[in-house]
Amino acid sequence: KQEVTQIPAALSVPEGENLVLNCSFTDSAIYNLQWFRQDPGKGLTSLLLIQSSQREQTSGRLNASLDKSSGRSTLYIAASQPGDSATYLCAVSGWDGANSKLTFGKGITLSVRP
Amino acid sequence: NAGVMQNPRHLVRRRGQEARLRCSPMKGHSHVYWYRQLPEEGLKFMVYLQKENIIDESGMPKERFSAEFPKEGPSILRIQQVVRGDSAAYFCASRRDAVYSDTQYFGPGTRLTVL
Repeated sequence: KQEVTQIPAALSVPEGENLVLNCSFTDSAIYNLQWFRQDPGKGLTSLLLIQSSQREQTSGRLNASLDKSSGRSTLYIAASQPGDSATYLCAVSGWDGANSKLTFGKGITLSVRP
Repeated sequence: NAGVMQNPRHLVRRRGQEARLRCSPMKGHSHVYWYRQLPEEGLKFMVYLQKENIIDESGMPKERFSAEFPKEGPSILRIQQVVRGDSAAYFCASRRDAVYSDTQYFGPGTRLTVL
């Protein structure tokens, strides 16, 4: 059974800092990995999707890497801003491509202090 | 292109009543997923549907819960005889047909409160 872990559960940093959010998963037979952002009381916004054959994806100040063999992914946020404050969720999709149900971590709640 | 729509956004029910949650996928998307987020818990998969078919319901409680995605109209998640433990945020996601797994787009969720 796939399990996804995100540690720590919460993180507080000063504005401008570069930071790394970690995600680990137990079963390396994944199809893809997605990073999402969730604001309080809101839905999920997809940030980046990495296919299992890829090593990283970039979008603006965000860079996500994937090491499937070791069961790890990182989300790198450059020059953090108070607007980046949110919960960041990591989710993996199983190997059966016909059913891409996602298994989520519990998320990391990020607070960027002005 | 409108995103995934869910209604109602907030739903209050008394114990024993029925709750109906609706999800309209993005235009052109024929795959729908339902997830539940309990307080202090991560999102958990409930059910995966394509038009008129339930593909995987392994995450859905065996009793009181059902889901459908008819040929016409939104997907419906139905909870009969709700209990306090059903209080949660229910999210719907959709994706397009793809040869490989593709990005899932999430709706804003329905927050169910059972009194």
